[in-house]
Amino acid sequence: NAGVMQNPRHLVRRRGQEARLRCSPMKGHSHVYWYRQLPEEGLKFMVYLQKENIIDESGMPKERFSAEFPKEGPSILRIQQVVRGDSAAYFCASSPGAENTGELFFGEGSRLTVL
Amino acid sequence: AQSVTQLGSHVSVSEGALVLLRCNYSSSVPPYLFWYVQYPNQGLQLLLKYTSAATLVKGINGFEAEFKKSETSFHLTKPSAHMSDAAEYFCAVSLNSGNTPLVFGKGTRLSVIA
Repeated sequence: NAGVMQNPRHLVRRRGQEARLRCSPMKGHSHVYWYRQLPEEGLKFMVYLQKENIIDESGMPKERFSAEFPKEGPSILRIQQVVRGDSAAYFCASSPGAENTGELFFGEGSRLTVL
Repeated sequence: AQSVTQLGSHVSVSEGALVLLRCNYSSSVPPYLFWYVQYPNQGLQLLLKYTSAATLVKGINGFEAEFKKSETSFHLTKPSAHMSDAAEYFCAVSLNSGNTPLVFGKGTRLSVIA
């Protein structure tokens, strides 16, 4: 499967624990985007990364959330000291980069439940 | 900044009836516009996209959308609804420069009644 791969698909954490969500973009794609989906709210942009660079993090909460896309390996969205309000579906998307028409290719999401 | 408004969070149609999902956008520059579909517990799948070529865009599964600059609209239509069309539909906009994050509407849940 050459699509965007996200894991884990489901993650349960207790308040105060850390959550790490991983995303491997489509083969040949160098741009990664993270979105959060809450019920009845659609998808909210969080962060846009290229390899080793954060391009736009205007949608990231100022505290507890961080993202990286290292030279090797998947992109990781990290949520420290999770709270119940962090429960949501987190979607990763990728795009090829150069000459892109704006289309994003989405993974199937990681659903975080905070107890 | 660009934004998208989807009118109606829930639309219900009978099987075989016309599907019309509304989307209006706001953008300071010519936009790229997209419709995505999301089935339960799945990711988003692209239905169709407008990238400044033909204003009437045909997508997968019989869907199409028309870009109307004068109305700042990009409504999604399908002549005859099928049960398998039941899903959530998202309209999205990006700047006409590629690689900028898509801005999504809140989504419209389509129900199809037998």
